[in-house]
Amino acid sequence: QSVLTQPPSVSGAPGQRVTISCTGGSSNIGAAYDVHWYQQIPGTAPKLLISGNSNRPSGVPDRFSGSKSGTSASLAITGLQAEDEADYYCQSYDSYLSASVFGGGTKLTVL
Amino acid sequence: QVQLQESGPGLVKPSGTLSLTCNVSGDSLTGYYWSWIRQPAGKGLEWIGRIYRTGDTNYNPSLKSRVAMSVDTSKNQFSLKLRSVTAADTAIYFCARDEFTGPDPDNWFGPWGQGILVTVSS
Repeated sequence: QSVLTQPPSVSGAPGQRVTISCTGGSSNIGAAYDVHWYQQIPGTAPKLLISGNSNRPSGVPDRFSGSKSGTSASLAITGLQAEDEADYYCQSYDSYLSASVFGGGTKLTVL
Repeated sequence: QVQLQESGPGLVKPSGTLSLTCNVSGDSLTGYYWSWIRQPAGKGLEWIGRIYRTGDTNYNPSLKSRVAMSVDTSKNQFSLKLRSVTAADTAIYFCARDEFTGPDPDNWFGPWGQGILVTVSS
């Protein structure tokens, strides 16, 4: 059971917009710690997608955006492409656990 | 462009010690923290701990009693040792640059190594 809760799967057709939620609590996201997002294509290492809630590293398309409110955060992907099919993970810090923590991951399927 | 590469035995016996090394190329170890993260097959990610060039470490409390990390700045590499392993420690182990700056605990990871599968089995 992950400290940060993500839906196991989401799906969308090419060109559509999808969102992936990441729900935490008062010791992590709700405590104003930042949320970061990673994309993991099966068989490869995770890749940083969003840092500091909404910042895209160089090279990440602007189709990817992040937001945070209260005890939750969201990753939005617009103009869905086949290459976006991957697992997505959120990450934050938890003060109760004194550790960096990850969500359980969400599998994005492009229909 | 910084690149990371994990190395070490892919098979460890139960109750033994898992030992991995991460070689960093394209940048110096100095100025950053460096972390180990693992992922059991088909499951999510777990942060193991981080180390700085000075040897300063932070470990995940859930693994702290069994973990030791070290750094060799002359070789631009850092290492992980996990003692008393069981089948539950079977996972892909990743090393990654850690954007932790302290004392603020906010951090993220990137780039990552490709990962190395370590299986605990007799």
